[in-house]
Amino acid sequence: AQRVTQPEKLLSVFKGAPVELKCNYSYSGSPELFWYVQYSRQRLQLLLRHISRESIKGFTADLNKGETSFHLKKPFAQEEDSAMYYCALSAFGNEKLTFGTGTRLTIIP
Amino acid sequence: DAGVIQSPRHEVTEMGQEVTLRCKPISGHNSLFWYRQTMMRGLELLIYFNNNVPIDDSGMPEDRFSAKMPNASFSTLKIQPSEPRDSAVYFCASSSGQGYGYTFGSGTRLTVV
Repeated sequence: AQRVTQPEKLLSVFKGAPVELKCNYSYSGSPELFWYVQYSRQRLQLLLRHISRESIKGFTADLNKGETSFHLKKPFAQEEDSAMYYCALSAFGNEKLTFGTGTRLTIIP
Repeated sequence: DAGVIQSPRHEVTEMGQEVTLRCKPISGHNSLFWYRQTMMRGLELLIYFNNNVPIDDSGMPEDRFSAKMPNASFSTLKIQPSEPRDSAVYFCASSSGQGYGYTFGSGTRLTVV
C-alpha cells in the first residue's frame, strides 16, 4: 500500500525567510511524486513533478529515495505563497494519485 | 482550452434528495478522477475512469454513490439519497497519462442539510 505523510498541518513563516514543507512517503516500488497548491477557495494546481526536476515560482523539490522524502523548498518566502500544499504519489504504471493531508502555509508580512 | 469544467459550483440540498454533480474533462485527456475533500479526511479518491471505463471504485463510500462516464467528454457523480455527512467539496480531475499529473476542476461545494 502507498501512503503520503505531511507531518505539519500548519506552518507559519516570515516573509523573506526560507520555507520547507515536509513530505514523506511509503511505497515499495518506484514512485512518481508531485506537489499541488490550492490558493484560498480555488482549484488545486499542479506545482511540481519530481520527474521534470523543475523550479516553479521559486519552489524546488528533490526526491530522496533513501529517506523516502520529497520536501518542498523555497529560499525566500513571499506573501503570495500563502496557500494549502499537498504532496501526492502515484505508483509506477498507475495514474491513481494518493494525496497527503496537506500543509497550510501562512507567510507573515 | 477552458480546463476541467464542473457544475454546479455550489449545491445545497435537503437530506434524502438526489444530487448529481457533473464534469467535463479536458479534450484529449483519457483519464478522469473524482475526489472528495473534507477538513477531517483531506482529499479522497472516489473513483477513476480510463477511456470511459471505471478502473478503480474502491473509494466510493457506499451504494448511495454512483458514477458514470457515458462518453469521453462527460461524467457524473450521483448521490442518492444524500446525507449531511456527504457535505464536502467534490473535485473532478483529468489527466493525459501517467506522470503528467492532473488538471483539477473548480469543484462543487455540496451542503446537505
